[in-house]
Order: sequence, then C-alpha cells, then structure tokens
Amino acid sequence: ETGVTQSPTHLIKTRGQQVTLRCSSQSGHNTVSWYQQALGQGPQFIFQYYREEENGRGNFPPRFSGLQFPNYSSELNVNALELDDSALYLCASTSSIQGGSPLHFGNGTRLTVT
Amino acid sequence: EDQVTQSPEALRLQEGESSSLNCSYTVSGLRGLFWYRQDPGKGPEFLFTLYSAGEEKEKERLKATLTKKESFLHITAPKPEDSATYLCAVQTSGAGSYQLTFGKGTKLSVIP
Repeated sequence: ETGVTQSPTHLIKTRGQQVTLRCSSQSGHNTVSWYQQALGQGPQFIFQYYREEENGRGNFPPRFSGLQFPNYSSELNVNALELDDSALYLCASTSSIQGGSPLHFGNGTRLTVT
Repeated sequence: EDQVTQSPEALRLQEGESSSLNCSYTVSGLRGLFWYRQDPGKGPEFLFTLYSAGEEKEKERLKATLTKKESFLHITAPKPEDSATYLCAVQTSGAGSYQLTFGKGTKLSVIP
C-alpha cells in the first residue's frame, strides 16, 4: 500500500512569487486535505477536496487555492507569497469525506519565503 | 470556536519513567478525538481515534483515554524511540467536511 507522497520536499521562494505543491493520495483514498504547520505549532486546516471540488475551507485567504484531479491527486497553489507563508505544508488523505477513518499525512513540503 | 490545549508543552522522562500527556478541548459537538505522533521533519503519524467519553485504546506502551472535557495519552515504561511530538486533534460535528483542529503538541524526550 503506497502512502501519501508530496513533492517537492523543500522549496525556497521570494516574497510576491507563486508556488505549486503536489500530493498523491494514498491508494483507495478519494478525499484530500491540506494543512499548514508553522514552526512549533499544530497543523492548521487550509481546505479539503472531494470529487475534484473544494468542500471545506479554513481561515485562509483566496490566494490559497487548490485542485484535485480524477486520480485523486491534488495541488496547492499559493499566490503573492508573504514571509508568514513560510511553513511545512502537509497533505492528508482519507477514504471518508465525513470522518470515521483517520487522516493519513504525507511528510510535507517545507516552504521558505525570503 | 473550537479549541484544543495540550500540556505540558515539553516533557523529559528517564527511560522507564511512566507519565501522561493531557489534551483538553472545547468544542460544539465532538465527532472524534485523534492522537498523532510527529517525528522531526516528518508528517503526523496516526495513533488513535476516540469517539465517546469512557473509551480507551491501547497500542504497545501507549494508552489513550477520553472524558467529556479532556483526553490523556498514558506512556508506560517509555523507551528513547518514543521521543517525538504528540499531537491531539478534534473533529467536530456540523462541519460539512472532515477537518481537524489541532493542539500545539507535547514534545516528549525520553533519556536513556
């Protein structure tokens, strides 16, 4: 069973630039979520995708956007990067849109904005 | 607003010295409480899900319990390989999506 994989593992960008992060969900999982984890903090929910549509969003501005593809893989796009966007970005997948089975996380993409 | 508070922030134990980590929560309607383990530079690894007060789950040296206001993660006779950050998260009812609210975690260090 293949787990959640994310790419790239590390990324350095300049303020104002745009970035795209990628995620392949675990086999059999159709729901993908993205979380932002700042240093020393717990992960914060960004949004969730199910059947290629966003069906839940946390307290993040519209410059954070995403996509889910027919094979359930996903992308997170962040426009107009700010210094505070520096964080570990985690992708998680599950087979249950409402809960009842755990979220399985990838190892994340470490984004540094300078 | 849902809130999750974990204590202590950091804990140092001697190998074999048992202890407990606390997770207190304030939510509008609990659908599930989750414990994860996170190693440096890695994503959270799922440990347990608890759904109702009085429920307990065990895995090796770890035991998780749940009351109406808090959850405990008991670590019995810990080993150095148990060193990690332990995260608690809640899923609440009413949300149309499966979203978790996490605490800041407890960083556990087990000294040989």
